[in-house]
Amino acid sequence: QTVVTQEPSFSVSPGGTVTLTCGLSSGSVSTSLYPSWYQQTPGQAPRTLIYSTITRSSGVPDRFSGSILGNKAALTITGAQADDESDYYCVLYMDSGIYVFGTGTKVTVL
Amino acid sequence: EVQVLESGGGLVQPGGSLRLSCAASGFTFSSYAMSWVRQAPGKGLEWVSSISASGGSTDYADSVKGRFTISRDNSKNTLYLQMNSLRAEDTAAYYCAKVGYYFYMDVWGKGTTVTVSS
Repeated sequence: QTVVTQEPSFSVSPGGTVTLTCGLSSGSVSTSLYPSWYQQTPGQAPRTLIYSTITRSSGVPDRFSGSILGNKAALTITGAQADDESDYYCVLYMDSGIYVFGTGTKVTVL
Repeated sequence: EVQVLESGGGLVQPGGSLRLSCAASGFTFSSYAMSWVRQAPGKGLEWVSSISASGGSTDYADSVKGRFTISRDNSKNTLYLQMNSLRAEDTAAYYCAKVGYYFYMDVWGKGTTVTVSS
């Protein structure tokens, strides 16, 4: 069974930078898994941030950026703002047509 | 405006059935794959199922395989999820999502809640 791992939580100061990662229980994350990232606040539907590793979805501020760092996908928030306080999920698309969501990271801005 | 809107959630007894619908508008529905994603109370997001643009190809998470069936009616711009043999662990908010060309959830609905309980 494929497990996609994310840090459980991160804390960042307003204006600071934080990098969340998305790894595989076995193997490396590469662009061929089309990593995507989503933001969700409690009680709300998810919002798409990044797709195909690095591409920002329409309307997403450029303080959000995606990349591959080593063997993981990464989401970096540069210049964090109070309303970035949310849960963040990565998703990997597996060859078999299956999508696997990461475990999610709770980001606190304080 | 591109949007999807789920309906059909509710309270159902264990072992029961429910059909969710997702009405799409603002885009050429028949050109895009679609997915269902769920979120149990207090838990993370879980991919449930996807269907190709034509409806000819479907995929399911192991947790629902054999119990849930995804389908679509391109003439009605509507996606469905037939859920049978429901279990308590199927209790969740169910989201419909348009799938973008690079295998990601592009547009999300607001969700519909399914509660499986006696």
